[in-house]
Amino acid sequence: TQLLEQSPQFLSIQEGENLTVYCNSSSVFSSLQWYRQEPGEGPVLLVTVVTGGEVKKLKRLTFQFGDARKDSSLHITAAQTGDTGLYLCAGSARGGSEKLVFGKGTKLTVNP
Amino acid sequence: DVKVTQSSRYLVKRTGEKVFLECVQDMDHENMFWYRQDPGLGLRLIYFSYDVKMKEKGDIPEGYSVSREKKERFSLILESASTNQTSMYLCASGDPQPQHFGDGTRLSIL
Repeated sequence: TQLLEQSPQFLSIQEGENLTVYCNSSSVFSSLQWYRQEPGEGPVLLVTVVTGGEVKKLKRLTFQFGDARKDSSLHITAAQTGDTGLYLCAGSARGGSEKLVFGKGTKLTVNP
Repeated sequence: DVKVTQSSRYLVKRTGEKVFLECVQDMDHENMFWYRQDPGLGLRLIYFSYDVKMKEKGDIPEGYSVSREKKERFSLILESASTNQTSMYLCASGDPQPQHFGDGTRLSIL
């Protein structure tokens, strides 16, 4: 069974700080997706990474897919209160597969 | 604006009842999904559908069934609700993987 481990599970920081969230597995994934979920809402897809070593930027968010396609990281620069939410990573075992394996998430709180 | 719409945000039912959760998408996606989300367990796939009248079991299909009679609509059915089915239920659509989620139905079984 493929598993995705996210760390840390909880993170509370002050506005303006930088942070990194990790998503690790012993299995290889053909693609990996990051979502953000705010309280009372469904997850919103932020990015999909498909190539080992790939780096994608979305404003202050930087996503990296590991060279071996077993891990990924999300780095947020100068966090804002609006970044508060549950960050989920999810991986696809093979290209074009509909099924995703989800990590349990990192709950981020950015304090003013 | 693309949307996945779930029929209810909150639902309270009794054990033994048959429960229907409805989901509609407006993006013409082939694939639709039903997940449940529980604290400490994350999102778990119940069923997904890759075409009208076609379905495939996910990781936890026991106690659930699904129906997809039209491309835009995917229903989750709890045949005889039990208290351990109290959860947040999320519908999603996407090709091939979930790209858009609904806002969820928080279902309580008493």
